[in-house]
Amino acid sequence: EDKVVQSPLSLVVHEGDTVTLNCSYEVTNFRSLLWYKQEKKAPTFLFMLTSSGIEKKSGRLSSILDKKELFSILNITATQTGDSAVYLCAVDENTGNQFYFGTGTSLTVIP
Amino acid sequence: NAGVMQNPRHLVRRRGQEARLRCSPMKGHSHVYWYRQLPEEGLKFMVYLQKENIIDESGMPKERFSAEFPKEGPSILRIQQVVRGDSAAYFCASSPRPRNEQFFGPGTRLTVL
Repeated sequence: EDKVVQSPLSLVVHEGDTVTLNCSYEVTNFRSLLWYKQEKKAPTFLFMLTSSGIEKKSGRLSSILDKKELFSILNITATQTGDSAVYLCAVDENTGNQFYFGTGTSLTVIP
Repeated sequence: NAGVMQNPRHLVRRRGQEARLRCSPMKGHSHVYWYRQLPEEGLKFMVYLQKENIIDESGMPKERFSAEFPKEGPSILRIQQVVRGDSAAYFCASSPRPRNEQFFGPGTRLTVL
């Protein structure tokens, strides 16, 4: 039933660690995959991925999509306490008008 | 350059009352999406509106819920005769075009007593 599955559900790491968050999806007419960061307020947009194998990078965050295996990963290097948040993955189909969101990965970075 | 605005940020209602949630999209955005987020769950799509039109309401419960996006003014999500199960965070997002990334508002946290 769930079109987007994220793992792990939660993660606790120490500052400086590198983390990898996973998002697998199952939609019939894939168009794009998006990553959002949600702290105690609005989800903020991180990346939109449409093509396989092309890494998107923003500072310490990077993401890549594998359309053959139907998943994406979000990497965060040299984590900081400010990275603590829920990271949401969403998938968009060519048909329909909605994004399908996963339940998120809750990341806690401890000093 | 304000982002998506939602109000109120917190709303408390007793069972049977009505809840009205407002969303003002970013300037220049004419596409509005409403999502509901229950505790421990992901964002669930409810409805997609363009100015004066409901484009897709496939995620909206058939009863008690309605949405509008008038020519002037904010988009409104209206919940009539609220029940405890309606307690959730309701997020609004906007985009300048369909199929673009969506920019989210801070959400309205509805608590039904």
